[in-house]
Amino acid sequence: RKEVEQDPGPFNVPEGATVAFNCTYSNSASQSFFWYRQDCRKEPKLLMSVYSSGNEDGRFTAQLNRASQYISLLIRDSKLSDSATYLCVVNDGGADGLTFGKGTHLIIQP
Amino acid sequence: DVKVTQSSRYLVKRTGEKVFLECVQDMDHENMFWYRQDPGLGLRLIYFSYDVKMKEKGDIPEGYSVSREKKERFSLILESASTNQTSMYLCASSVRHEQYFGPGTRLTVT
Repeated sequence: RKEVEQDPGPFNVPEGATVAFNCTYSNSASQSFFWYRQDCRKEPKLLMSVYSSGNEDGRFTAQLNRASQYISLLIRDSKLSDSATYLCVVNDGGADGLTFGKGTHLIIQP
Repeated sequence: DVKVTQSSRYLVKRTGEKVFLECVQDMDHENMFWYRQDPGLGLRLIYFSYDVKMKEKGDIPEGYSVSREKKERFSLILESASTNQTSMYLCASSVRHEQYFGPGTRLTVT
């Protein structure tokens, strides 16, 4: 069974701090990886894709470790508006699309 | 920007009623998906479709059916609604494994 595991949190972090969380996946044949962000009572939205070489988008950095089968998301200089649930998402190459983790809840405190 | 719309944001139905949830996307995506999201369980795939008139079961298809008569429209049908189908229903369309979600329909079955 395909599994994507995340620490549900909540992570309570002061504004301006750096926060990181990981996600592990069970299928070593997984092909592509994403982080989605979901605000309370809203739909998930694509935050960033995760490439083998790692990638950065402003304050956000995503890393992939295929050997250990985990993905990480680092947020620097956190803002109050970063408060959300972050979903780790894996594409196993199968016909049924993506496998979603249950999400990590992040709360940025003033 | 990709736009995925769902027919209702909130819906209240009685046990045994037939329920139709409509989803429309405007980006000519071939792939469309229906999920339900429940606290502690995350997103679970109900059905998906890769082409007009084509449908495939996801992880939890029992009690649901779908229809895809036109490329832009993917409907979820609850033949006889039950209280355990009270949930948030999310439709998505995708390109290159990046999924774009509609705003969701919060369905309550009483």
